[in-house]
Amino acid sequence: AQSVTQLGSHVSVSEGALVLLRCNYSSSVPPYLFWYVQYPNQGLQLLLKYTSAATLVKGINGFEAEFKKSETSFHLTKPSAHMSDAAEYFCAVSTNDMRFGAGTRLTVKP
Amino acid sequence: DGGITQSPKYLFRKEGQNVTLSCEQNLNHDAMYWYRQDPGQGLRLIYYSQIVNDFQKGDIAEGYSVSREKKESFPLTVTSAQKNPTAFYLCASSIMRDSGNSPLHFGNGTRLTVT
Repeated sequence: AQSVTQLGSHVSVSEGALVLLRCNYSSSVPPYLFWYVQYPNQGLQLLLKYTSAATLVKGINGFEAEFKKSETSFHLTKPSAHMSDAAEYFCAVSTNDMRFGAGTRLTVKP
Repeated sequence: DGGITQSPKYLFRKEGQNVTLSCEQNLNHDAMYWYRQDPGQGLRLIYYSQIVNDFQKGDIAEGYSVSREKKESFPLTVTSAQKNPTAFYLCASSIMRDSGNSPLHFGNGTRLTVT
């Protein structure tokens, strides 16, 4: 069975600052990993996914994530936050069954 | 454009009534899913279906029922047996369920309020 832990239910950054959202996973087999974003009252949209081709994965809207097997982590980063990045972010792990973390709400201050 | 349509966006019901949430996709995906979202709990899987006329219980199926009579459609019924039905419900689809690298495509959700 696999699981995901997102550290920090709420992260606040200033506009232009680095965004770092943390995700650790547990899986008995090599997993596929995903980050999704959710804007208020909407569904989730795929930001990026890791499928073992490369450990550094680039996604949409300037986000990227690095797969670190030794740390069982898949943290999401963006060098410079924009007001439009304010949303909830979900990390997910999948072998044949996708499991989501509890989510991290990102607030961007002007 | 292809996508998933959930309707209605907001739904209000009295306690004790069954209610059906609609989900239609035109992505030609085989697998469809229903998730429930509550604040601070992420997404919890209610039911999923890999092919027409077949579906499986997820982690929190009690008080819910589904059908899959057509590939495009996967309606969810919230029955009066569901003890705490007020939540945001999300429908999703993927190319195949057992392929772990298939991302999910989501609808925009239905917010159900039961009073």
